[in-house]
Amino acid sequence: QQPVQSPQAVILREGEDAVINCSSSKALYSVHWYRQKHGEAPVFLMILLKGGEQKGHEKISASFNEKKQQSSLYLTASQLSYSGTYFCGTDNSGGSNYKLTFGKGTLLTVNP
Amino acid sequence: DAGITQSPRHKVTETGTPVTLRCHQTENHRYMYWYRQDPGHGLRLIHYSYGVKDTDKGEVSDGYSVSRSKTEDFLLTLESATSSQTSVYFCAISGQGSSYEQYFGPGTRLTVT
Repeated sequence: QQPVQSPQAVILREGEDAVINCSSSKALYSVHWYRQKHGEAPVFLMILLKGGEQKGHEKISASFNEKKQQSSLYLTASQLSYSGTYFCGTDNSGGSNYKLTFGKGTLLTVNP
Repeated sequence: DAGITQSPRHKVTETGTPVTLRCHQTENHRYMYWYRQDPGHGLRLIHYSYGVKDTDKGEVSDGYSVSRSKTEDFLLTLESATSSQTSVYFCAISGQGSSYEQYFGPGTRLTVT
């Protein structure tokens, strides 16, 4: 079952902050975040592992709440280059980490 | 960027014809995946492979088959294409290190008329 992302879309002005949420109905072992620009392939941003380890992007942070089966992606002081669709991918298969189920995406638009 | 290519990049075919899409990697990654992307659905896993000749189904595997005879190549076949299989298909690879981040190919836009 696909994780649920919210909001579906968000529009920001450059410099503003945004939070994108990802919720799963099943136990989470890891959460991956990807960004896709229009007409391009998704690009890996960050992975959050059960136990709190976080790997990835310098200017974007994320949290992982195992009990609530949720992850949130925080984009602070947004830049024009942050525009795109953000996907979370969840590993619900017991820590294998190699098979993900992706959400439907959140479209982020950053305007000057 | 990870060395991953897809061919063809664009294809238009008629209903009922067989179609094979190819994914090629130069990274020697163990895992390879085929996804389809449709508006409003995000990325949905079709099939994946965890080694040569080792494959398994994803959430939308009906009407698709795959083969992996070499580490570097993963083929997706539509035995008899239908209009519902019009989509953008992405191949991805993972397996380097312990965190299994996925690297995506450029995609193939398939139109079934």
